[in-house]
Amino acid sequence: GAVVSQHPSRVICKSGTSVKIECRSLDFQATTMFWYRQVPKQSLMLMATSNEGSKATYEQGVEKDKFLINHASLTLSTLTVTSAHPEDSSFYICSARPPSGGKGQTQYFGPGTRLLVL
Amino acid sequence: GNSVTQMEGPVTLSEEAFLTINCTYTATGYPSLFWYVQYPGEGLQLLLKATKADDKGSNKGFEATYRKETTSFHLEKGSVQVSDSAVYFCAFVVGNAGNMLTFGGGTRLMVKP
Repeated sequence: GAVVSQHPSRVICKSGTSVKIECRSLDFQATTMFWYRQVPKQSLMLMATSNEGSKATYEQGVEKDKFLINHASLTLSTLTVTSAHPEDSSFYICSARPPSGGKGQTQYFGPGTRLLVL
Repeated sequence: GNSVTQMEGPVTLSEEAFLTINCTYTATGYPSLFWYVQYPGEGLQLLLKATKADDKGSNKGFEATYRKETTSFHLEKGSVQVSDSAVYFCAFVVGNAGNMLTFGGGTRLMVKP
C-alpha cells in the first residue's frame, strides 16, 4: 500500500524557536496533503490543506503566519511552526491521497510528529 | 455543518468480550465513511470503510455497516483481544477526492487479559 513518512518523529525545542516537520509520500504522488493536530481528548483537528504549487488553505482559527506550509513537490509538504510556544506542544499528523480520485478515496497517514516546546 | 459524534471513552473490556463503538454523523451531502485506528505510539491506520448506504466494511474481525436512515456507522467486533487496545476514530469525507476528512473525537479501547 501507499506509504507516507514524517520527519522527525519527535522533536523537543525551546520556546521562541522554529521547527520544521516534513511529510513525504514515498511511493505515490500527492497533489493534496493535509495537516492535522491531535488535541486533548484525542480528537484530530484539520489545520490546513496543502496543495502542490499553490498556497495552502487554512482552517478557521489556524494562524497561517505561525504554521507555515509549503508543498514544493508532488511528494513533499512541510509544516514549519514558527516562534513555538509550549501551547504548540502536540502530535502533528499529515496525510496524503493518491491522485486516482473518486469518492471514498483513502487517505494515507504519516506516523506523526510529537512536538514538545519547553 | 459537518460533524461526527462518537461515544466517549475509555471503553474497558475483558478479552473475548463483544465490542460496539457508536458513531453518528451529520454531513452536507452523501459521505463515505471510515474507521481509523491509532495504536499506542503510532500514527493513524485505516481500519475499514464504506462508500454507500447498506455497505458493510470489515477488517481484522471488525465490522461497520453504513446506515443512511440513522446516519450511523457503528463499529463492532465479536471477540476483542488485548492487541485491539487503541484509539478508534470515526470519520467521513463528502464529495470528490480533495475534500478533507471530518473526524470524531476518538474512543479509547482498553482490553484486559
